[in-house]
Amino acid sequence: NAGVTQTPKFRVLKTGQSMTLLCAQDMNHEYMYWYRQDPGMGLRLIHYSVGEGTTAKGEVPDGYNVSRLKKQNFLLGLESAAPSQTSVYFCATASRAAERGGRYEQFFGPGTRLTVL
Amino acid sequence: AQSVTQPDIHITVSEGASLELRCNYSYGATPYLFWYVQSPGQGLQLLLKYFSGDTLVQGIKGFEAEFKRSQSSFNLRKPSVHWSDAAEYFCAVGGRNAGNMLTFGGGTRLMVKP
Repeated sequence: NAGVTQTPKFRVLKTGQSMTLLCAQDMNHEYMYWYRQDPGMGLRLIHYSVGEGTTAKGEVPDGYNVSRLKKQNFLLGLESAAPSQTSVYFCATASRAAERGGRYEQFFGPGTRLTVL
Repeated sequence: AQSVTQPDIHITVSEGASLELRCNYSYGATPYLFWYVQSPGQGLQLLLKYFSGDTLVQGIKGFEAEFKRSQSSFNLRKPSVHWSDAAEYFCAVGGRNAGNMLTFGGGTRLMVKP
């Protein structure tokens, strides 16, 4: 099992370009999350999804869009990249069944390092 | 709104010494509390978590944490640090909200001296 994978691992964009980050999971988890990590600020939630076809805004959603067309995939889009979006992006997943059983935990992917020039 | 404060941005300890990383949280009800570790260039790995019950929680790699409701704290401890423990550590708080969103602290970077 691959767990949580993220594509690509690295990317450099010019200001104004667009791109999509892909998160894929083979754990059959209902919940999926996108975070960004910046020095000294920990991880901040961008968007999340509680199931296929549903998405919701997190703490820092501006400039990003997401889609969850399939349960196993969660896409993060940047329509017009800005230097302020230079960051490391992490995807995470969690199981609703584990939540009910008191074993809630988020599982993280390896991250995507994005630089916007 | 929930929040997490990790007061120490950097900590350096000698190998074999004891370690305590501080975490203070703000949450309106009984929280879920987590400690994650991140090695350079890697994702986050769960060290331990607290949901309810015994306030002293044991985790992987010899780590433990104690939930103190009166102090709104969830400090991480290890009796003897190994060089491989050098990493960044994140405390997080969550609860029974829709989607179980977590709020993370800013992290503490641990360096281990030989």
